[in-house]
Amino acid sequence: DTGVSQDPRHKITKRGQNVTFRCDPISEHNRLYWYRQTLGQGPEFLTYFQNEAQLEKSRLLSDRFSAERPKGSFSTLEIQRTEQGDSAMYLCASSPGREAFFGQGTRLTVV
Amino acid sequence: LAKTTQPISMDSYEGQEVNITCSHNNIATNDYITWYQQFPSQGPRFIIQGYKTKVTNEVASLFIPADRKSSTLSLPRVSLSDTAVYYCLVGEASGSARQLTFGSGTQLTVLP
Repeated sequence: DTGVSQDPRHKITKRGQNVTFRCDPISEHNRLYWYRQTLGQGPEFLTYFQNEAQLEKSRLLSDRFSAERPKGSFSTLEIQRTEQGDSAMYLCASSPGREAFFGQGTRLTVV
Repeated sequence: LAKTTQPISMDSYEGQEVNITCSHNNIATNDYITWYQQFPSQGPRFIIQGYKTKVTNEVASLFIPADRKSSTLSLPRVSLSDTAVYYCLVGEASGSARQLTFGSGTQLTVLP
């Protein structure tokens, strides 16, 4: 399968714990995006990488959130000290240009 | 940032043609119009993209009038499996958050 892969698909964590999600984009796609989506809403932009450089970061991304893309390949999104309000689907997308390809997302539930 | 406005929901019957219109009055010269489809618990999927006039692919057509202030996604002969949320996006193709800014989308429900 050469699509965008996200791991894990589901994560349940206790409030206050740290979680890390991984995204493996389609190889050779230099653009990578992270989004958060809650029920009934469209995906909300979190951050954007071009190769290994994090070029844009949403104001939604508080200090508890950090993303990396070492070597311009896979990316990780870490949430520290999780809160119940962080419960959502976290989506990753990669793009070579105009069209973006999304992964199936990681559903986070904070209890 | 070009804001988009689309209907919240639409119903249709199997076999009918469905047209979903999106308004984007503040579209910029370099902006493209892109439509994505999303099923529950899945990431959005690219459907079609255009700049002006008409674009057609194997799943849909996109009609864009000369002033580009609106666009219409046309789905021919819908089936139950076309029930999904459809998003209209407007942005440059240069690679940025602006390129992929989603609104609330249109929930299309196809009835038997």
